[in-house]
Amino acid sequence: GENVEQHPSTLSVQEGDSAVIKCTYSDSASNYFPWYKQELGKRPQLIIDIRSNVGEKKDQRIAVTLNKTAKHFSLHITETQPEDSAVYFCAAPTGSARQLTFGSGTQLTVLP
Amino acid sequence: GAGVSQSPRYKVAKRGQDVALRCDPISGHVSLFWYQQALGQGPEFLTYFQNEAQLDKSGLPSDRFFAERPEGSVSTLKIQRTQQEDSAVYLCASSPGYIQYFGAGTRLSVL
Repeated sequence: GENVEQHPSTLSVQEGDSAVIKCTYSDSASNYFPWYKQELGKRPQLIIDIRSNVGEKKDQRIAVTLNKTAKHFSLHITETQPEDSAVYFCAAPTGSARQLTFGSGTQLTVLP
Repeated sequence: GAGVSQSPRYKVAKRGQDVALRCDPISGHVSLFWYQQALGQGPEFLTYFQNEAQLDKSGLPSDRFFAERPEGSVSTLKIQRTQQEDSAVYLCASSPGYIQYFGAGTRLSVL
């Protein structure tokens, strides 16, 4: 099955700085990589995803890069704001149902 | 439109009690997933439905866990004879294809 590792587990940045979160995966058949943001007590919310046929995708201040050879993908948040503070999870699909295997999460704190 | 809805939001059970957790997926979504999220961890897969068919239940931790989706829409996750280790947030997600949309979850506390 799939194994997804995520680093770092905690990340503090000053408002306006950039934040980068990295994930590695094990299943070379994985072809879709979503990132979810989860605020305390709330639902995981999809913020960006990437399919394996592209290397980078950008949406305003958020970007995701994918290196299929190295089996890693990263989330980049630029010009961070206090409302970006949350736990971020990477994920990769596995199994016949394409259920998601999640990383262990990164607690991002943006300091004003 | 409405997102994925789960009820109850919070459930406190005494050890040994049976509980039932409900998920209302987004209308028209064929796929439905249940995940378990322990405190400070990422969600972990429990089971998967395609319409009313339960195609994968490999993540259910024991035979005390049972899920159904009889009409291919609303799903119920039932836990019999709850144990303390069952305390977690139970998340439901529905999907029209690749993207999974999550509900806010049911936080189960077993005392």
